[in-house]
Amino acid sequence: RKEVEQDPGPFNVPEGATVAFNCTYSNSASQSFFWYRQDCRKEPKLLMSVYSSGNEDGRFTAQLNRASQYISLLIRDSKLSDSATYLCVVNRGGYQKVTFGTGTKLQVIP
Amino acid sequence: DAMVIQNPRYQVTQFGKPVTLSCSQTLNHNVMYWYQQKSSQAPKLLFHYYDKDFNNEADTPDNFQSRRPNTSFCFLDIRSPGLGDTAMYLCATSREGGNSPLHFGNGTRLTVT
Repeated sequence: RKEVEQDPGPFNVPEGATVAFNCTYSNSASQSFFWYRQDCRKEPKLLMSVYSSGNEDGRFTAQLNRASQYISLLIRDSKLSDSATYLCVVNRGGYQKVTFGTGTKLQVIP
Repeated sequence: DAMVIQNPRYQVTQFGKPVTLSCSQTLNHNVMYWYQQKSSQAPKLLFHYYDKDFNNEADTPDNFQSRRPNTSFCFLDIRSPGLGDTAMYLCATSREGGNSPLHFGNGTRLTVT
């Protein structure tokens, strides 16, 4: 089993739709979690950290479920500009124990 | 703005011809990383520095070397590039704390011909 797993998609959704991605992790000792956005042929950019209590930033909501070992990202009112690959990142503690998921591709269509 | 800068953005080199990629940061972060990312794949960690302490991943080819002369700069040297080394190379930094996110540079897209 991979340490961090994501559904690669692509998720094709119409503008205005709500879409959710999950990311599962295998190591129960994982400590911190992040969602990154990566546009085609560009570097990953931090979208949001994921806190135990869940957190929201505008149209984006991140949740952590430690019992089931997954994190989620919810995007409301999808925009064309949200089209990108969303990478889940899990840190098992310490700067050297960072693992990336392979990413979920989102395509928002007019 | 504090940031991570990579140069060049695009590099084309011939099979076997050494190439050096550079990364600089103004974030004053202790930790610097080099990742290789191929198309539709997750970034793959090559090595990282904690200050001057160098840590090589077990599966990083010997062909890949790195130097960090000071806190701000880090270099990736590919001694004899092969066709399979064509990829995006990403530099990232972080503070030493476990909850600190990675901050990526803009990447260098390397093509080996």
